[in-house]
Amino acid sequence: KQEVTQIPAALSVPEGENLVLNCSFTDSAIYNLQWFRQDPGKGLTSLLLIQSSQREQTSGRLNASLDKSSGRSTLYIAASQPGDSATYLCAVSGAGSYQLTFGKGTKLSVIP
Amino acid sequence: ETGVTQTPRHLVMGMTNKKSLKCEQHLGHNAMYWYKQSAKKPLELMFVYSLEERVENNSVPSRFSPECPNSSHLFLHLHTLQPEDSALYLCASSQGTNRRNEKLFFGSGTQLSVL
Repeated sequence: KQEVTQIPAALSVPEGENLVLNCSFTDSAIYNLQWFRQDPGKGLTSLLLIQSSQREQTSGRLNASLDKSSGRSTLYIAASQPGDSATYLCAVSGAGSYQLTFGKGTKLSVIP
Repeated sequence: ETGVTQTPRHLVMGMTNKKSLKCEQHLGHNAMYWYKQSAKKPLELMFVYSLEERVENNSVPSRFSPECPNSSHLFLHLHTLQPEDSALYLCASSQGTNRRNEKLFFGSGTQLSVL
């Protein structure tokens, strides 16, 4: 059974700092890995999707990498801003299923 | 706006009530999902519909009954719920045609409290 772990559970950084969020998964047989953002009491917004054959994806100040063989992904946020404060969730999609297995998320606070 | 609308945003119900959650997507997608998000637990997939046919049911108790009358609408009918069913219920949709490159689009959720 696939398990997804995100470390740290919470992170607080000053504005302008570059930061890295970590995600690990136990079964490397994945279709893709997605990073989502969730604001309090709201739904999820998809940030980046990396297919299993890809190594990284970039969108603006966000860069996500995938090392499928070691079961790891990182989300790099450059020049963090207070508006980046949210919970960031990592999820992996397995072969032959619509199931996305989520981690518990990393709650990010960017202090002005 | 993500193109996925959920109503109501908040719902309080007693254990003997019957209520329904509604989800509508305006993205032309073929697949729709119900997820449950409880405090301090990862999101849990409940049901998946593809082209109005249920394709996954993740061992969800029968007090939750999904309905997908067409590819744009998804309902979750609730009856005789328990307090531990209190959670944020999220609806999502996706293209449903290429699972390797399949982004999910989520609604804002219904925050359910069972008294």
